[in-house]
Amino acid sequence: EVQLVESGGGLVKPGGSLRLSCAASGFTFKSYTMNWVRQAPGKGLEWVSSISSTGSYINYAASVKGRFTISRDNAKDSLFLEMNSLIFDDTAVYYCTKLFGSRLGMDVWGQGTTVSVSS
Amino acid sequence: QSVLTQPPSASGTPGQSVTISCSGSTSNIGSNTVSWYQQLPGTAPKLLIYANHQRPSGVPDRFSGSKSGTSASLAISGLQSEDEAEYFCAAWDDGLNGPWVFGGGTKLTVL
Repeated sequence: EVQLVESGGGLVKPGGSLRLSCAASGFTFKSYTMNWVRQAPGKGLEWVSSISSTGSYINYAASVKGRFTISRDNAKDSLFLEMNSLIFDDTAVYYCTKLFGSRLGMDVWGQGTTVSVSS
Repeated sequence: QSVLTQPPSASGTPGQSVTISCSGSTSNIGSNTVSWYQQLPGTAPKLLIYANHQRPSGVPDRFSGSKSGTSASLAISGLQSEDEAEYFCAAWDDGLNGPWVFGGGTKLTVL
């Protein structure tokens, strides 16, 4: 079964850090671009970051650039998101997603992990 | 403020058809394909339509997508109670917004 399982979310104070992980299974992880997408409470979806299959190409949303770092370990079928200098607006459910066919869409989504930034 | 514009809500009765619109610009919908996602309450989004009108296996043919210029639409025919969900459109953006942009979501209510 194709699956993505996120972990690492939690409650953190403003200015704090968290590291999210995403474990992939059921597909050849090293062949696909992976993404992080977040959803603030009661809000829509917001793309956060993407990393190509080899890790050579990385993009960030303007709202997280300079604070978040995406990475992957193809030997361990894992995706990561290092989040530093967290602010209230980073509060959201973070989804790990698999890209389908270059720019066609995101065909596999994890169940999400919740990040809450609060003092 | 989402880059792609969707109506916040839509509704219909069982058996009816409903259409949800998604408006963008030349840098996203105008030059790239559109995908649609269904998010049932309390669950993760699920890919419903890709490449403007293609359905992944397992998605009923009651769901169809189309694109014209800088706009796209998701049509649902034979509405069922289990279709009550939030629907999001998305596209690659060649400009400064992306590379991925989403619509704000449309909450579909089956009356």
